[in-house]
Amino acid sequence: DQQVKQNSPSLSVQEGRISILNCDYTNSMFDYFLWYKKYPAEGPTFLISISSIKDKNEDGRFTVFLNKSAKHLSLHIVPSQPGDSAVYFCAASGIYTDKLIFGTGTRLQVFP
Amino acid sequence: NAGVTQTPKFQVLKTGQSMTLQCAQDMNHEYMSWYRQDPGMGLRLIHYSVGAGITDQGEVPNGYNVSRSTTEDFPLRLLSAAPSQTSVYFCASSYSNTEGEAFFGQGTRLTVV
Repeated sequence: DQQVKQNSPSLSVQEGRISILNCDYTNSMFDYFLWYKKYPAEGPTFLISISSIKDKNEDGRFTVFLNKSAKHLSLHIVPSQPGDSAVYFCAASGIYTDKLIFGTGTRLQVFP
Repeated sequence: NAGVTQTPKFQVLKTGQSMTLQCAQDMNHEYMSWYRQDPGMGLRLIHYSVGAGITDQGEVPNGYNVSRSTTEDFPLRLLSAAPSQTSVYFCASSYSNTEGEAFFGQGTRLTVV
């Protein structure tokens, strides 16, 4: 039973345009959400997070939006750059769960 | 500052062999976890620990054991390796599971033949 789902395994975007990566979750006990970026042969690295008390968090080119009623979050990258090409994982946890659960990942390719 | 260190980076095992994947962190984090990454499956939680002496099962714990005798170390033991355990394994640590980020090691690529 996948509690955190990323339904798009891959996404291709032109440099300079917006990349939108989506994530859905099923467990209503989750109240903290994170995005990680992973390059080949490296461990995932933290990108941005959002608490359930917010609906938006911004950090430079990266913005995460949270829609609690729809149990949906998205990561916007504007403008996209070739160096953003990587696999992006969303993850969820909560004050009532000790576990950090990851989604299946979306491979983003940014082409010139 | 080393962060999270995993050893070995690569390992080939024969079916039925046992081995221990090592993980150490120097950030004094209470939370540590083991994940495996498989194509199309994302990162799946194997076992985790919320502090020394405390461990619990994740999403896919079968065939693996863990212990947490110190804050720094969180080894993952494969009791009797199976080809289905061929995967890339990541160890992670964080000071909290509800705030801040988890730091990951570089991964161990394990092949069971």
